[in-house]
Amino acid sequence: DQQVKQNSPSLSVQEGRISILNCDYTNSMFDYFLWYKKYPAEGPTFLISISSIKDKNEDGRFTVFLNKSAKHLSLHIVPSQPGDSAVYFCAASDTSGTYKYIFGTGTRLKVLA
Amino acid sequence: DGGITQSPKYLFRKEGQNVTLSCEQNLNHDAMYWYRQDPGQGLRLIYYSQIVNDFQKGDIAEGYSVSREKKESFPLTVTSAQKNPTAFYLCASSSSSNQPQHFGDGTRLSIL
Repeated sequence: DQQVKQNSPSLSVQEGRISILNCDYTNSMFDYFLWYKKYPAEGPTFLISISSIKDKNEDGRFTVFLNKSAKHLSLHIVPSQPGDSAVYFCAASDTSGTYKYIFGTGTRLKVLA
Repeated sequence: DGGITQSPKYLFRKEGQNVTLSCEQNLNHDAMYWYRQDPGQGLRLIYYSQIVNDFQKGDIAEGYSVSREKKESFPLTVTSAQKNPTAFYLCASSSSSNQPQHFGDGTRLSIL
């Protein structure tokens, strides 16, 4: 059973517009959430995180929103740039337990110039 | 520069052979992880270690083995018991459970 789901395998957005990537989770014990960006043949790069005590965290063009009641988080990229084209993974962790993260299957974002 | 180094970047294995993937970090992180990525799929956890001389199985540990004799090093052995070893393998480390994991650039393993 997949505890972290990214239901959109791909997304295309025009340069300058907003990109919204979504992630759903099922385990109510998850209290720390992250987004990673990955280029082909490279390791994922950490983008932004949020703990369950917050509902929003912002870092430059990237904002993560957390809706605990819906068990849903989203990553907003504004404005989108061609260099943002990559695969984006969300991940979740129960920090009271192990150091284990559960990753989603990823969403491939393509920003069109 | 601090970071995680995985070697080699590409690795080929003959059927029936064991092969070991290297992962070294100089970030002074306690925890280290091994993931496998297959095309179109997310990252699946193979093994993780929260402290030296201790490690736990992840979701897909069968056919793999690890050791954690030093804080800096967490090698992964893909044994002949792993029936489908062709994949992209990623190593990561973190300082605690509520800090991001940092990843190496991966090793692509292929079967000859």
